[in-house]
Amino acid sequence: LAKTTQPISMDSYEGQEVNITCSHNNIATNDYITWYQQFPSQGPRFIIQGYKTKVTNEVASLFIPADRKSSTLSLPRVSLSDTAVYYCLVGVQGNAGKSTFGDGTTLTVKP
Amino acid sequence: GAVVSQHPSRVICKSGTSVKIECRSLDFQATTMFWYRQFPKKSLMLMATSNEGSKATYEQGVEKDKFLINHASLTLSTLTVTSAHPEDSSFYICSARDPWESGANYGYTFGSGTRLTVV
Repeated sequence: LAKTTQPISMDSYEGQEVNITCSHNNIATNDYITWYQQFPSQGPRFIIQGYKTKVTNEVASLFIPADRKSSTLSLPRVSLSDTAVYYCLVGVQGNAGKSTFGDGTTLTVKP
Repeated sequence: GAVVSQHPSRVICKSGTSVKIECRSLDFQATTMFWYRQFPKKSLMLMATSNEGSKATYEQGVEKDKFLINHASLTLSTLTVTSAHPEDSSFYICSARDPWESGANYGYTFGSGTRLTVV
């Protein structure tokens, strides 16, 4: 299983764009990249998934360079409610349950 | 989207007793569910894979006699912490995926978690 590395913590202010980068140097050809958000005392919540280039949904964008050895989760115009831990997972699509959770990035959004 | 319900949300039990945690897929059938454990300020650790109609697969270092998993139906998996001790106090989370979920949302849906406190 590919290991992921993320910054331990990040601070931001309301209304700013936040970019969280994840390194996954050993990503395999069949692996997808998935990001989850977790609030205290809650289960993780799916944010976005991608394989290459750029993926965008209603809450975030995911940028994946051609070599796929890293990925960047972009949260536009964050609010206080975006304060949470963000996890980057790498694994075979449809088998994310076997992907290893890294340490995650604790994002703190300040007023 | 897919919904996974976990019950109870929190439980306090006495040392030496057993506690059962339920994980239900509400609007889909899940042949496979996963159980995680999370300590405060730490990441999720996969404990076991629950397989409908067969034995669970445990990760290395997880005591199968301590953490009994039963997946008797396509919508229900249970985790029983037997003879609980204070060191078993943790946040337990299950997850499952709707196999019919299509498009970009191939992520897994997680339950809301169960906070177990053993006193």
